[in-house]
Amino acid sequence: QQPVQSPQAVILREGEDAVINCSSSKALYSVHWYRQKHGEAPVFLMILLKGGEQKGHDKISASFNEKKQQSSLYLTASQLSYSGTYFCGTQPTGTASKLTFGTGTRLQVTL
Amino acid sequence: EAQVTQNPRYLITVTGKKLTVTCSQNMNHEYMSWYRQDPGLGLRQIYYSMNVEVTDKGDVPEGYKVSRKEKRNFPLILESPSPNQTSLYFCASSLPGKVTEAFFGQGTRLTVV
Repeated sequence: QQPVQSPQAVILREGEDAVINCSSSKALYSVHWYRQKHGEAPVFLMILLKGGEQKGHDKISASFNEKKQQSSLYLTASQLSYSGTYFCGTQPTGTASKLTFGTGTRLQVTL
Repeated sequence: EAQVTQNPRYLITVTGKKLTVTCSQNMNHEYMSWYRQDPGLGLRQIYYSMNVEVTDKGDVPEGYKVSRKEKRNFPLILESPSPNQTSLYFCASSLPGKVTEAFFGQGTRLTVV
């Protein structure tokens, strides 16, 4: 079953912040985040492991709450280059390597 | 350069005409998978392979076949394509395990008429 992402779409002005959520019905070992620009392949952003860790990548960071099987991606002071579709991918405990992606969140940053 | 290469990038075919989409990676990755991307549905896994001669169904395997005779190649076969298989397809590869990044090919846009 696919993880559920919210919101489905968001429009921001440059410099504003955004949060994208990812929720799974299964116990998770890890959560991946990818960004896909229009007409291109998804590109890896980061992986979070169970243990409630938080990671950062420039002004993009994420957290993982394993008890709630939820992860959130935080985009701070958004730039035009952040525009694209963001996917979370989840790996349940006990299933080696299988990565299931969510339905995606389309983010548009405007001037 | 480390990459995953898919061919063709674009394909228009007719219902029932068998086709193969090739996928090749040069990173010596054991794990490879196929996804289809449809509006509003995100990326859905079709098949995956843990290593040579080891394949398994993903979430939407109906109408597709795969093979893994060599580590670097993982072709996707549509024996009798139908219009509902019109989609954007991505191949991905990664090292095995739970903490590895997936590398995606550039995608194949397939239209079945």
